[in-house]
Amino acid sequence: AQSVTQLGSHVSVSEGALVLLRCNYSSSVPPYLFWYVQYPNQGLQLLLKYTTGATLVKGINGFEAEFKKSETSFHLTKPSAHMSDAAEYFCAVNTFNQFYFGTGTSLTVIP
Amino acid sequence: NAGVTQTPKFQVLKTGQSMTLQCAQDMNHNSMYWYRQDPGMGLRLIYYSASEGTTDKGEVPNGYNVSRLNKREFSLRLESAAPSQTSVYFCASSALSPPEAFFGQGTRLTVV
Repeated sequence: AQSVTQLGSHVSVSEGALVLLRCNYSSSVPPYLFWYVQYPNQGLQLLLKYTTGATLVKGINGFEAEFKKSETSFHLTKPSAHMSDAAEYFCAVNTFNQFYFGTGTSLTVIP
Repeated sequence: NAGVTQTPKFQVLKTGQSMTLQCAQDMNHNSMYWYRQDPGMGLRLIYYSASEGTTDKGEVPNGYNVSRLNKREFSLRLESAAPSQTSVYFCASSALSPPEAFFGQGTRLTVV
């Protein structure tokens, strides 16, 4: 079975500081990897995805993530946090047409 | 550009009542999914449909049934609602390759 682990259910950063949200996965086959963001009372929106090719993936709003196969990781980063980045973030993998989600990381940005 | 549309957005049910959550997508996707979201538990798959006419159980199917009415529509039915089914329900759809889940806005269901 596939699984996704997000380290840290709550992360706080100061405005302008580096954002690092961690995601590790287990998969028996090369997966597709995703980060989604959820704002309060809304659905999930895609931030970025890795399917094939370059392992460093750039997404919307200045976020990026790097697929490291040897570490089975897909950590999300942003060089400088903005107040508008405060939200819930979900890492997900897709194998055999099924999506598996982590339990989410709530990001707080401190002014 | 509607994407994935879910109805209703909010619902309160009494224990034992039944209801159907509706979901429609206009992206010609083959795959559709129903998830429930509970605090601290992420999204858990209830049922999914890989194509029109097929449905399969996910991680938490008990107490739910689904119907893939056609390629566009995938409904979720609660036959006899229980307080444990209080949750936010999301429908999603995806193309087969490469996959990317598109989500509806969710249905916030309270069972009292």
